Amino acid sequence: DVKVTQSSRYLVKRTGEKVFLECVQDMDHENMFWYRQDPGLGLRLIYFSYDVKMKEKGDIPEGYSVSREKKERFSLILESASTNQTSMYLCASTSGAQAFFGQGTRLTVV
Amino acid sequence: AQSVTQLDSQVPVFEEAPVELRCNYSSSVSVYLFWYVQYPNQGLQLLLKYLSGSTLVESINGFEAEFNKSQTSFHLRKPSVHISDTAEYFCAVSLTSGTYKYIFGTGTRLKVLA
Repeated sequence: DVKVTQSSRYLVKRTGEKVFLECVQDMDHENMFWYRQDPGLGLRLIYFSYDVKMKEKGDIPEGYSVSREKKERFSLILESASTNQTSMYLCASTSGAQAFFGQGTRLTVV
Repeated sequence: AQSVTQLDSQVPVFEEAPVELRCNYSSSVSVYLFWYVQYPNQGLQLLLKYLSGSTLVESINGFEAEFNKSQTSFHLRKPSVHISDTAEYFCAVSLTSGTYKYIFGTGTRLKVLA
């Protein structure tokens, strides 16, 4: 089975902290994605990557950056966390058209 | 650009009753269509997908969806729901090549009542 692993299920961070969310997939997928999920808004794409060191902005990239130094790992970075970034963050990788999701990281910024 | 509309944010239904979760999409190019399910405190799992061929697709747990190109719809149905079907359901489209970027609907929360 394809496995997409997010490093933390729950995180609590303070306003202004730099936050790293890590995602690892074990199936050599080229495409990886970061979404945030908020009630009533569904999943919104933050950034995606189609190869090592390649990245593209999604629909809501402001306040975020990403890093992909190795094919299996895609990191989401909150440069200076703010309370409006409190959310569920979901990582995904795709094999052809099918997406595989991690369990999600629920981030609370206080 | 593509967009997905799920008009019903919540659908309550009694156990063993039928249910339909509606999904409409907009796209100027061909897309693939998906339904994903999310159980509480979990990530999304693929329920079923339409890539090509027969417009009626089925999942292993009794759900089915029909692709209707003229109405740009991909509604999800189940003839008899169980308590365990309580979850949030997301409709999504993706491009048919390249990065396969997904566009999701806002989700429908299905609550099955005893």
